[in-house]
Amino acid sequence: EVQLVESGGGLVQPGRSLKLSCAASGFTFSNYGMAWVRQTPTKGLEWVASISTGGGNTYYRDSVKGRFTISRDNAKNTQYLQMDSLRSEDTATYYCARHRYYFDYWGQGVMVTVSS
Amino acid sequence: DVVMTQTPLSLPVSLGDQASISCRSSQSLVESNGNTHLHWYLQKPGQLPQLLLYKVSNRFSGVPDRFSGSGSETDFILKISRVESEDLGVYYCLQSTHLPYTFGAGTKLELK
Repeated sequence: EVQLVESGGGLVQPGRSLKLSCAASGFTFSNYGMAWVRQTPTKGLEWVASISTGGGNTYYRDSVKGRFTISRDNAKNTQYLQMDSLRSEDTATYYCARHRYYFDYWGQGVMVTVSS
Repeated sequence: DVVMTQTPLSLPVSLGDQASISCRSSQSLVESNGNTHLHWYLQKPGQLPQLLLYKVSNRFSGVPDRFSGSGSETDFILKISRVESEDLGVYYCLQSTHLPYTFGAGTKLELK
């Protein structure tokens, strides 16, 4: 059974950093691209970033480019999202997702709140 | 960015009804190799989004055959042949042909 478990969310002040983790199990992690998708009541679902199987290719939405870094450790079956210079508009539930051309399996999500 | 426009935003139904949801993209979603990366999700209340259909019309594992998808280029339809109570929630379309990948705003399927 495919399982994705996020951790690392919480309350953080604007301008500070936070690092999300996503532990994967139930499939061969190194064979799949991975992604982060976030959701807010106002903006709905937004793709944030994706990473290729080996980690050599990464892709970001414009609003997070230069502030967020997606990475993965295939030996640990884990992907990460380093979020720097956080803004109030980054407040959302962040989902880890397995990425083929679509996002077929999602984690339960982790809440990130950016507020002073 | 490719804008995904879903209609209607709300769809009141009775159990057993047929339901149709439209998703229109601001650009063609056909790749140079002919693939069309338009996918459908359902998010039930309090749950994470779950994949229903991928590449327009392919049902994901475990998805009942009352769900079907069609369309091409910029216009796509999700149909539910006979709505059941477990189908209630918000439906989203997603395009992954063009970066950034974009979702529709969602269509809420609810009981009349």
